[in-house]
Amino acid sequence: EAQVTQNPRYLITVTGKKLTVTCSQNMNHEYMSWYRQDPGLGLRQIYYSMNVEVTDKGDVPEGYKVSRKEKRNFPLILESPSPNQTSLYFCASSLMGGRAGVGELFFGEGSRLTVL
Amino acid sequence: AQSVTQLGSHVSVSEGALVLLRCNYSSSVPPYLFWYVQYPNQGLQLLLKYTSAATLVKGINGFEAEFKKSETSFHLTKPSAHMSDAAEYFCAVKGGSYIPTFGRGTSLIVHP
Repeated sequence: EAQVTQNPRYLITVTGKKLTVTCSQNMNHEYMSWYRQDPGLGLRQIYYSMNVEVTDKGDVPEGYKVSRKEKRNFPLILESPSPNQTSLYFCASSLMGGRAGVGELFFGEGSRLTVL
Repeated sequence: AQSVTQLGSHVSVSEGALVLLRCNYSSSVPPYLFWYVQYPNQGLQLLLKYTSAATLVKGINGFEAEFKKSETSFHLTKPSAHMSDAAEYFCAVKGGSYIPTFGRGTSLIVHP
């Protein structure tokens, strides 16, 4: 089954304790992206990657890191989480290139993070 | 540059009534347009997409959307709302970039 898998789905942590949210897709997609969703603000892009070893900042990258060492994985790293990073996070992937440029995003189920 | 405006953060309808969710876009090139739906405690999933093949696009669960270039709109409609349609709906545009821009979302509330 084609899917994007995120872990953990729920996490409560404390300020300053490093954490990683994993994301994996099994569709051989080149493009992967992280979003955060907050009430009234919709989806905001944190980072994206157009291929292995290629990553770029989105609209709200401060306080986050990513890496793309393998095509299928795109982990989101919070080196020193703060309460303003409490949010619902989504990983997404899609095809790129040619007609695949019209490809839609496939989303994970979301990771709800609370930073105390 | 590309952008999306969804009019109304909340839309309330009665079961059986017409659903109309509004989306206006801007794009410097002919766009690809998408509607996604997010049910409670789930990720987003594609409802339908416009890729220039036809201006009236049919999606899942009885939804459809019409691309109107002159109005730069891509409004989502459904003739008769069901309780199960209650969800958050997002419009998105891809212009000259592979990176989509999302609207802020519209929460659809369906009353019995």
